[in-house]
Amino acid sequence: EIVLTQSPGTLSLSPGERATLSCRASQTISSNYLAWYRQKPGQAPRLLIYGASSRATGIPDRFSGSGSGTDFTLTISRLEPEDFVVYYCQQYVNSPHTFGQGTKVEI
Amino acid sequence: QLQLQESGPGLVKPWETLSLTCTVSGGSISSSSYYWGWIRQPPGKGLEWIGSIYYSGSTFYNPSLQSRVTMSVDTSKKQFSLKLSSVTAADTAVYYCARQDYFVSSGSLDYWGQGTLVTVSS
Repeated sequence: EIVLTQSPGTLSLSPGERATLSCRASQTISSNYLAWYRQKPGQAPRLLIYGASSRATGIPDRFSGSGSGTDFTLTISRLEPEDFVVYYCQQYVNSPHTFGQGTKVEI
Repeated sequence: QLQLQESGPGLVKPWETLSLTCTVSGGSISSSSYYWGWIRQPPGKGLEWIGSIYYSGSTFYNPSLQSRVTMSVDTSKKQFSLKLSSVTAADTAVYYCARQDYFVSSGSLDYWGQGTLVTVSS
């Protein structure tokens, strides 16, 4: 099973600042089969990034993904109020399709 | 616009079987490009992938749950289902159904249901 470790657990920033979230895998994720999701309170997660760096439909360009192998990053260039929620990474190259434990971005 | 909706009992007794159904609307469940998955989230905790099913009935499950999980699909009703047997309090969670896209993203979860809370308690 591929274990994903997200850091930091909590990120304290202000609106307009840049956020950098990390996701590290216990083994190489081939073909960059890694996704990022945002989850607002009381809602289902929403896909932000797939294939490590491709934005999903309707996702603003302030969200970007990068990385390969075992180290991946989600960057939010300018935080909007609705961005202060929880983010998860997920690998879907090997079963089980594991998630990281989440990073909370707070004001 | 594709929509998914979970349905099923919100309360299940310990050691009984949890049964949920996901109804797909606004799109086809029989497309060769997608699997259909279940994910759960215990209150205040992270996400756990349970497994996925293809419209043909082919499945793959999380090994940690495999002995207790059964998924099925009814293409005529545009529904897929989850059964989890011998539940305990540790199975209390919000259960989500989702579409797993293999056409564009090779497996990410691009559409989700709103989720349904299932509590295991006597």
